[in-house]
Amino acid sequence: GAVVSQHPSRVICKSGTSVKIECRSLDFQATTMFWYRQFPKQSLMLMATSNEGSKATYEQGVEKDKFLINHASLTLSTLTVTSAHPEDSSFYICSASGRTSSYNSPLHFGNGTRLTVT
Amino acid sequence: KQEVTQIPAALSVPEGENLVLNCSFTDSAIYNLQWFRQDPGKGLTSLLLIQSSQREQTSGRLNASLDKSSGRSTLYIAASQPGDSATYLCAVPNDYKLSFGAGTTVTVRA
Repeated sequence: GAVVSQHPSRVICKSGTSVKIECRSLDFQATTMFWYRQFPKQSLMLMATSNEGSKATYEQGVEKDKFLINHASLTLSTLTVTSAHPEDSSFYICSASGRTSSYNSPLHFGNGTRLTVT
Repeated sequence: KQEVTQIPAALSVPEGENLVLNCSFTDSAIYNLQWFRQDPGKGLTSLLLIQSSQREQTSGRLNASLDKSSGRSTLYIAASQPGDSATYLCAVPNDYKLSFGAGTTVTVRA
């Protein structure tokens, strides 16, 4: 089946620094990638949707200048948490779809990145 | 706005018992419904995708039913095993994105 690789799986950084998370589709071309955030015992909250070669679409309440998303190729999207603060500590998960819509197309998820900001 | 609810939030059963996980959604005009499994500290693994035209979908010991008119889906796991311990989430398309339930955390006791 389709594989999505997310790296790193865990990262600890100091407050004020930036962290980059990579999401790669290994065996298919991902025209659309989704970035989610998950708090303990809560559901996934969509942060942004990125289509290859265009600007990401951010959900309401998500700061686009803080969470920079780049989707420069059909196999790679990156999420950069800029000037991280302890409240940014969370579990971040990406997913990828080979179509521009999630309708009728199962999404494939990365294994997530646990970010801890000290 | 589509809202997805999963009850119960947690479930503990002895090995061998059948599992019944519930998912409800407020807007019945859905294209499909997907069930996922999430292990602690991991991403999501797709288990079953059931189309709006289907009433159920099966994969091995897993069976998912869908009743659009009542806004409900049920995931059945037959003869549970300790390896089935995980959080199970359901999700439905909501415009261009997926709306997820908060999940049901299952513990299967050996």
